[in-house]
Amino acid sequence: AQKVTQAQTEISVVEKEDVTLDCVYETRDTTYYLFWYKQPPSGELVFLIRRNSFDEQNEISGRYSWNFQKSTSSFNFTITASQVVDSAVYFCALSLEGETSGSRLTFGEGTQLTVNP
Amino acid sequence: DTAVSQTPKYLVTQMGNDKSIKCEQNLGHDTMYWYKQDSKKFLKIMFSYNNKELIINETVPNRFSPKSPDKAHLNLHINSLELGDSAVYFCASSPSGGGYAFFGQGTRLTVV
Repeated sequence: AQKVTQAQTEISVVEKEDVTLDCVYETRDTTYYLFWYKQPPSGELVFLIRRNSFDEQNEISGRYSWNFQKSTSSFNFTITASQVVDSAVYFCALSLEGETSGSRLTFGEGTQLTVNP
Repeated sequence: DTAVSQTPKYLVTQMGNDKSIKCEQNLGHDTMYWYKQDSKKFLKIMFSYNNKELIINETVPNRFSPKSPDKAHLNLHINSLELGDSAVYFCASSPSGGGYAFFGQGTRLTVV
């Protein structure tokens, strides 16, 4: 069975601070996908990134960056120069590649990020 | 054009009633899902359909019955609603074999 752990339940920062959201996963499979989703106060789930297990290259997209380390089973998410609009719940998730069930996602518990002005 | 759309967005109903939530995707995906988000924000899969065939049923009470008339639609019907059914229900779709999952905007169900 798969498991995703986001140990940080809530994080509060002041605008312009950098913040890292931690994600640790467990799976016995060697082929899998990792995801981050954002859930703003409006409630929708916004896809941020997908990483497959064979691609450990870190990724940067604007103020967002992701650090994937298979050795520690972690897929951490950093927001640089945070803004009030970054306030949301962020979910890390895992799915198994090639599963006939498509992208059945196992979610972490979520991290509530609050960015204060 | 909304990729995954579900209706209604809000649903308030009394205990014991039967209600349905509709979901449609225009992405051409083969697989659709229902997820439940509880009051603590925890998201868990309920059902998955691939080309109209049920492939995941996660120990959900049989009061919940998904129906897929075609691969672009997956509706959720709930009988005899209970207070504990109050949650946000998300529909999602993905291509077969894994990869991306796109979510609808969610339906907030409140049972009173």
